[in-house]
Amino acid sequence: DTAVSQTPKYLVTQMGNDKSIKCEQNLGHDTMYWYKQDSKKFLKIMFSYNNKELIINETVPNRFSPKSPDKAHLNLHINSLELGDSAVYFCASSVRTGTFNYGYTFGSGTRLTVV
Amino acid sequence: KNEVEQSPQNLTAQEGEFITINCSYSVGISALHWLQQHPGGGIVSLFMLSSGKKKHGRLIATINIQEKHSSLHITASHPRDSAVYICAVIGGYNTDKLIFGTGTRLQVFP
Repeated sequence: DTAVSQTPKYLVTQMGNDKSIKCEQNLGHDTMYWYKQDSKKFLKIMFSYNNKELIINETVPNRFSPKSPDKAHLNLHINSLELGDSAVYFCASSVRTGTFNYGYTFGSGTRLTVV
Repeated sequence: KNEVEQSPQNLTAQEGEFITINCSYSVGISALHWLQQHPGGGIVSLFMLSSGKKKHGRLIATINIQEKHSSLHITASHPRDSAVYICAVIGGYNTDKLIFGTGTRLQVFP
């Protein structure tokens, strides 16, 4: 069974559209993340949720809205897509024990292409 | 300047060679991760270190907290080791945020 699964794997859409990427983890982890990998392959955090609570919200346009219905799911909704949103988006999860964060597991990524 | 720097950016090797990839960081950290990204795009966590050294198969990771430096070694490299290796740190305690290096692209030729 896939530990962190993202859907869809590929997404091609036109500018101005609204789209969602879904992420689910079956590891029992309490923290989930969205990371963006740009065209130069550089990864940067966008959001993190811990037990459905938003913990990290980096400088990301308001058009990006994460939603966590429960601690096993973290979806990413993007409004009014722009060309610059084209990237690979990775979902990840981890578990926190005290002050330490363990077990980072990444999804396989969603390649978003905006045309 | 990026908070996490890796060297080299690109590395080619012949099968069987010993590989070293270096990572230096400028922030206080609680842990450091070494990640592997294959051409297909998936990211796998290889190691998480907060001190000392860890070994898994042909992979060895070390960290020197005082010098803010970590190395990833691959012994007896193989073409299937070809991938991008990424160093990422968790910047301090009570944060889960990973700060990534720019990655090292490794190609191992038969």
